[in-house]
Amino acid sequence: ETGVTQTPRHLVMGMTNKKSLKCEQHLGHNAMYWYKQSAKKPLELMFVYNFKEQTENNSVPSRFSPECPNSSHLFLHLHTLQPEDSALYLCASSQSGRPIYNEQFFGPGTRLTVL
Amino acid sequence: GQQLNQSPQSMFIQEGEDVSMNCTSSSIFNTWLWYKQDPGEGPVLLIALYKAGELTSNGRLTAQFGITRKDSFLNISASIPSDVGIYFCAGPTSGTYKYIFGTGTRLKVLA
Repeated sequence: ETGVTQTPRHLVMGMTNKKSLKCEQHLGHNAMYWYKQSAKKPLELMFVYNFKEQTENNSVPSRFSPECPNSSHLFLHLHTLQPEDSALYLCASSQSGRPIYNEQFFGPGTRLTVL
Repeated sequence: GQQLNQSPQSMFIQEGEDVSMNCTSSSIFNTWLWYKQDPGEGPVLLIALYKAGELTSNGRLTAQFGITRKDSFLNISASIPSDVGIYFCAGPTSGTYKYIFGTGTRLKVLA
């Protein structure tokens, strides 16, 4: 595997379900990110992890719970979601969390539908 | 807060035509990134710019970092059908490690 991978690619869940999204980067990077992409809206940053420590929580509801066990893996745990949470969830990684000379590389995303 | 505005929002062009799009901000940026996103996929980095006035090419793509540091431009020459997609600009917000993304320019190429 190369680059940034995400599983599953598609997920349909009910509002009472609990599910998790997984992201893995094979680039040797130290920072990882979760973004939400809704139709006709700019990408919204959700969480940032730098060297496994969470450095940003962009006012995300607690029904989204991130986990970063090591610099290569990032999870997003989902529970009691709402239909408006349906979106494409993108994971990205970068060499470090510093914004200079630090391009982000994205995974293919998980298309989430909440019924 | 900071935001990036892209124009045009969408464009339809004939294959072989050149394309220009831009990204503007109300505040200064020190880095500009341009991404392309195909349907159902994540954004792919096209070009990164780090210095005001910088002009960088990647094949048929050329991007420029505006002198005022409040804008950036992306040009695509001799467009082909696979150029179809959404093009995003992005830049780091001041004083943080966060990037913000523009609203996107949706490009459609007619063969």
